[in-house]
Amino acid sequence: EAGVTQFPSHSVIEKGQTVTLRCDPISGHDNLYWYRRVMGKEIKFLLHFVKESKQDESGMPNNRFLAERTGGTYSTLKVQPAELEDSGVYFCASSLSTGRSGEQYFGPGTRLTVT
Amino acid sequence: AQSVTQLGSHVSVSEGALVLLRCNYSSSVPPYLFWYVQYPNQGLQLLLKYTTGATLVKGINGFEAEFKKSETSFHLTKPSAHMSDAAEYFCAVRNNNDMRFGAGTRLTVKP
Repeated sequence: EAGVTQFPSHSVIEKGQTVTLRCDPISGHDNLYWYRRVMGKEIKFLLHFVKESKQDESGMPNNRFLAERTGGTYSTLKVQPAELEDSGVYFCASSLSTGRSGEQYFGPGTRLTVT
Repeated sequence: AQSVTQLGSHVSVSEGALVLLRCNYSSSVPPYLFWYVQYPNQGLQLLLKYTTGATLVKGINGFEAEFKKSETSFHLTKPSAHMSDAAEYFCAVRNNNDMRFGAGTRLTVKP
């Protein structure tokens, strides 16, 4: 069974440009999460989808970030326009269950560098 | 509100030595606690979790952690470090769907 995949693995863009990150969850997982880790800091929750609906987007830093999950399968996270402080590793996770004990399966992350 | 503090961003041990990675949490409800490991160029992998019941939790690769409510701690241990344990380890607490992570501890294992 394929795990959570993310594309690209690395992205280097200039300030002001746009970048779109993609996440493919494990097949059948209705729950999809985005997290971000700024260098040396903790991994922070960004948002949570249940199927195509945003369940919780309280962690989204500002309106330069737009997450979508059309059709309830893969998800994209667009940053427009990118700023220097957006640099970090963006993780995606998926889970079958929404319960507190449900395991979240993580992808390898996308390392975004904004110069 | 919930939060996680991992003491020590870097820990170095010799091969065969005890591994102890510290995690303290705060939570307004009985916590669900997790330890994840990230090997180079890979995603986060669940090592173990505490939900309810037995406070000593055993995980993969010989790791275990003990939930101590009185100390609000969930330290990760392994009796004998192996070179393959070198990775970054993250403690997390979960309330509903909001997973809060610590800043991570990078474990180095010296031969």
